[in-house]
Amino acid sequence: EDQVTQSPEALRLQEGESSSLNCSYTVSGLRGLFWYRQDPGKGPEFLFTLYSAGEEKEKERLKATLTKKESFLHITAPKPEDSATYLCAVQAQNDYKLSFGAGTTVTVRA
Amino acid sequence: DSGVTQTPKHLITATGQRVTLRCSPRSGDLSVYWYQQSLDQGLQFLIQYYNGEERAKGNILERFSAQQFPDLHSELNLSSLELGDSALYFCASSRTSFNEKLFFGSGTQLSVL
Repeated sequence: EDQVTQSPEALRLQEGESSSLNCSYTVSGLRGLFWYRQDPGKGPEFLFTLYSAGEEKEKERLKATLTKKESFLHITAPKPEDSATYLCAVQAQNDYKLSFGAGTTVTVRA
Repeated sequence: DSGVTQTPKHLITATGQRVTLRCSPRSGDLSVYWYQQSLDQGLQFLIQYYNGEERAKGNILERFSAQQFPDLHSELNLSSLELGDSALYFCASSRTSFNEKLFFGSGTQLSVL
């Protein structure tokens, strides 16, 4: 069974203080690893898809990287509007569903 | 706005009752997914439909059922409700059956009292 573990559970940052979120996964043949952002009371919003080890993707202050066992979401010089829960999910080969981790809740203080 | 519409936003009901959650996917999307989110379980995949046919099943209880209609909207039926069914239910849609990325609705908050 696919397993996704995210750490830390919660992260409190000062505005401008860069940090990284970790997503460790176990899957029998990775088709894709996904990062989503979820704001309170809303549905998850797609950020990135990574397909193979070594791949990197960037969007504004966010950068996602992938190895064979884990993915990192780097937040560079965060702003208060980056406060959200960040969810990692994996999809196995020949599988339709996404298996989500529990998420990391990031709070950025001004 | 993701383009995925879920109704109702909130639902309060009693144990033993039956409810129906409705989802309209983004225009052009053929796949609809249902997920359940609770504090202790996180986001759990329930079921997927593609162009009217069931494509994949996850941890969906036998008391729950779903369908996708010819106009591609979907309904999730929850029956014989228990306190533990209280959760946020999300619908998501994608263009294909092997989703490259999902677009989630805002969810239906179900409270079973």
